[in-house]
Amino acid sequence: EAQVTQNPRYLITVTGKKLTVTCSQNMNHEYMSWYRQDPGLGLRQIYYSMNVEVTDKGDVPEGYKVSRKEKRNFPLILESPSPNQTSLYFCASSSLAGDNQPQHFGDGTRLSIL
Amino acid sequence: AQTVTQSQPEMSVQEAETVTLSCTYDTSESDYYLFWYKQPPSRQMILVIRQEAYKQQNATENRFSVNFQKAAKSFSLKISDSQLGDAAMYFCAYRRGGGSNYKLTFGKGTLLTVNP
Repeated sequence: EAQVTQNPRYLITVTGKKLTVTCSQNMNHEYMSWYRQDPGLGLRQIYYSMNVEVTDKGDVPEGYKVSRKEKRNFPLILESPSPNQTSLYFCASSSLAGDNQPQHFGDGTRLSIL
Repeated sequence: AQTVTQSQPEMSVQEAETVTLSCTYDTSESDYYLFWYKQPPSRQMILVIRQEAYKQQNATENRFSVNFQKAAKSFSLKISDSQLGDAAMYFCAYRRGGGSNYKLTFGKGTLLTVNP
């Protein structure tokens, strides 16, 4: 089954404790992206990657890091989480074979930073 | 920068009736794509329908259809024969064509309630 898998689904942690949210897709997609969803703001892009070792900032990259060492994985790293990073996070992937390819989303990760 | 506006924070509809969700967008691009995503309480983001800007014909997927007015930069979603399972947050999204980032720009969402 084609899917984007995020882990964990839920995490409660404390300020300053490094954490990583993993994202893996099994569709051989070149493009992957992270979004955060906040009430009243919709979804906003954090980082994206066009292929292995190619990453770039989205609209709200402050406080986040990403890496793309393998095509299937695109982890989101919070080196020193703060309460304003409490949010619902989505990973998405898409093929670049044609401009009209839809993005496939993971099921979301709810992060609470105390 | 592109913006997407959903002017209806909440809408409600009676089961079996029709409801229309509004979306307007602002862009200077001529090549772009528009999407409606559904987010039920399970939080999944589910693609409902998409429209290519170069196509004049409005997209249709079963009970879901769009009214795409390119000159007015309007992209409304019509849900016919509403069902209880249609209750969800609906997001309108824009993506420019080509380029090096397939970023989706989302509206703030419309919460749809379906009354039995």
